[in-house]
Amino acid sequence: DGGITQSPKYLFRKEGQNVTLSCEQNLNHDAMYWYRQDPGQGLRLIYYSQIVNDFQKGDIAEGYSVSREKKESFPLTVTSAQKNPTAFYLCASGRANTGELFFGEGSRLTVL
Amino acid sequence: QKEVEQNSGPLSVPEGAIASLNCTYSDRGSQSFFWYRQYSGKSPELIMFIYSNGDKEDGRFTAQLNKASQYVSLLIRDSQPSDSATYLCAVRAGGYQKVTFGIGTKLQVIP
Repeated sequence: DGGITQSPKYLFRKEGQNVTLSCEQNLNHDAMYWYRQDPGQGLRLIYYSQIVNDFQKGDIAEGYSVSREKKESFPLTVTSAQKNPTAFYLCASGRANTGELFFGEGSRLTVL
Repeated sequence: QKEVEQNSGPLSVPEGAIASLNCTYSDRGSQSFFWYRQYSGKSPELIMFIYSNGDKEDGRFTAQLNKASQYVSLLIRDSQPSDSATYLCAVRAGGYQKVTFGIGTKLQVIP
């Protein structure tokens, strides 16, 4: 089946630890995105990538890092520098010509 | 000023009525406009997209775009309880792939 796979679905982390969220897509999309959603809030853009080996900061990139070594993969690292990391993280891939985004099921990160 | 603005709601409508959801955006260079539906605890799913001024219909859904007023709307006809969800408006700037979302409007369809 074509789609976007995020893992893990739930993750608990102690303060001061880095954690990496995985995002893999087999839709052959060029663009990939990471968003963060807090309770009662919309989606805020963390990073996005239009092509392999290139990515841009979104609106809330501080405390996060990404890589895009393969077209299919766009992992997000939440570093210890991120002050409020507890949130629902959504990965998406998009069609370059139309801009439609397709989302994974999300990863819910809780910092203890 | 937020790039994409929506009223957070909740918007309550009776079953069978028309639900009207609105969105304004600040970047006049925006070229692509999207409506996503998000059920509680789930990820967003695309309902419709629109690029040109005017109306675009798909089943019970109609998207309306007015670039001069920087305004996008979504109409849901014959609203059903299963339509109860948060509706997110999203905008893509021309020439770039950045897609910005509004806060979302929570819709409640009352049986």
